Amino acid sequence: DTEVTQTPKHLVMGMTNKKSLKCEQHMGHRAMYWYKQKAKKPPELMFVYSYEKLSINESVPSRFSPECPNSSLLNLHLHALQPEDSALYLCASSQETTLPGTDTQYFGPGTRLTVL
Amino acid sequence: AQTVTQSQPEMSVQEAETVTLSCTYDTSESDYYLFWYKQPPSRQMILVIRQEAYKQQNATENRFSVNFQKAAKSFSLKISDSQLGDAAMYFCAYRSPPSDKLIFGTGTRLQVFP
Repeated sequence: DTEVTQTPKHLVMGMTNKKSLKCEQHMGHRAMYWYKQKAKKPPELMFVYSYEKLSINESVPSRFSPECPNSSLLNLHLHALQPEDSALYLCASSQETTLPGTDTQYFGPGTRLTVL
Repeated sequence: AQTVTQSQPEMSVQEAETVTLSCTYDTSESDYYLFWYKQPPSRQMILVIRQEAYKQQNATENRFSVNFQKAAKSFSLKISDSQLGDAAMYFCAYRSPPSDKLIFGTGTRLQVFP
């Protein structure tokens, strides 16, 4: 089973709201990723957690705050977003228990975020 | 820096026919992994096929196969017996250990006509 789940599927929020995106996997993967994808563009990496520690932060604005409570769960906390942050937010995971950097990333279905 | 190039923004194919999507990459690494992902309008990014650079044999998954030319740094995807459900955006991607980063091409939108 290569399932990564994400909730909610759709989210509409105002610029003053605080919301969270959730991602879950039960494949025993030890690396989890957040990507942002604009229409007709490839995904852009935002954050990587490896063994529950933040290993990559691609200079993402502080209004995006990732959290990895355990090895199966990844959250993205949103606060004071801008309309240009409207996008598809994808979560992915990979095994990374053998040789780092060799494993396939499996993606969730994404959360479509609209910021008004 | 590694780069991935997909030179075909859009392609079309008739049902049951064969289509080939192109991908080239640039790297100085000898150990790396290449992927094709499919993203239909439902938006989930689905792994189609994976190729290890150290393997000379081209990867195959049912109707999907790749033509991996390491010296030319080319990694094309061939879809045989195309089906309406193959219509999607296809992304070529590269990864080299020990990096966590997956480098994507710009994508090719495939249309399938009945």
